[in-house]
Amino acid sequence: GESVGLHLPTLSVQEGDNSIINCAYSNSASDYFIWYKQESGKGPQFIIDIRSNMDKRQGQRVTVLLNKTVKHLSLQIAATQPGDSAVYFCAEKLGGNAGNMLTFGGGTRLMVKP
Amino acid sequence: ETGVTQSPTHLIKTRGQQVTLRCSSQSGHNTVSWYQQALGQGPQFIFQYYREEENGRGNFPPRFSGLQFPNYSSELNVNALELDDSALYLCASSLLGDEKLFFGSGTQLSVL
Repeated sequence: GESVGLHLPTLSVQEGDNSIINCAYSNSASDYFIWYKQESGKGPQFIIDIRSNMDKRQGQRVTVLLNKTVKHLSLQIAATQPGDSAVYFCAEKLGGNAGNMLTFGGGTRLMVKP
Repeated sequence: ETGVTQSPTHLIKTRGQQVTLRCSSQSGHNTVSWYQQALGQGPQFIFQYYREEENGRGNFPPRFSGLQFPNYSSELNVNALELDDSALYLCASSLLGDEKLFFGSGTQLSVL
């Protein structure tokens, strides 16, 4: 499939190192945040989510941190593996939004060097 | 449990033509959303359907329209195609009230 994100910011890490991908969100009224991973030729795949009443949430090898004061979200990947190479998107949902509309950021490409 | 499936995977159209893209929701999901993803950008919300009615719309003109069927499958129709409509079109399904969306692999539309 066609490559996604040819001109995206890129983070290059060594296999086994930890990765931190940052995201600045736009709306202080957003109450839900989510990270997706997108590999070339595929749709976005859910990684982890967090609600605005939390500041940290952990999954398997991933942690999301939320700083509402500066409207900043980060995704930490422990012991990064070659299979983690992809484009990562953060997205936010506005509080009170009756639907499930997500507003996506521009994405970051993660490249893992063996 | 089946995931979200979209068809076709790739499509080439000419400016001014009309196109229909199709999506089958994940089993048990009652809400479907469509997103447009231009090259190098994040997905942008087009609209969402619940119980066969549109219940949310992004900043897209009326020539973008949709349908949701009783079996929760969905269509995205785009009339009078423009060159800037070239993009990856993503369908996502969910349960109403659950913000977590499950995406299909998309349809890559090229308008020449």
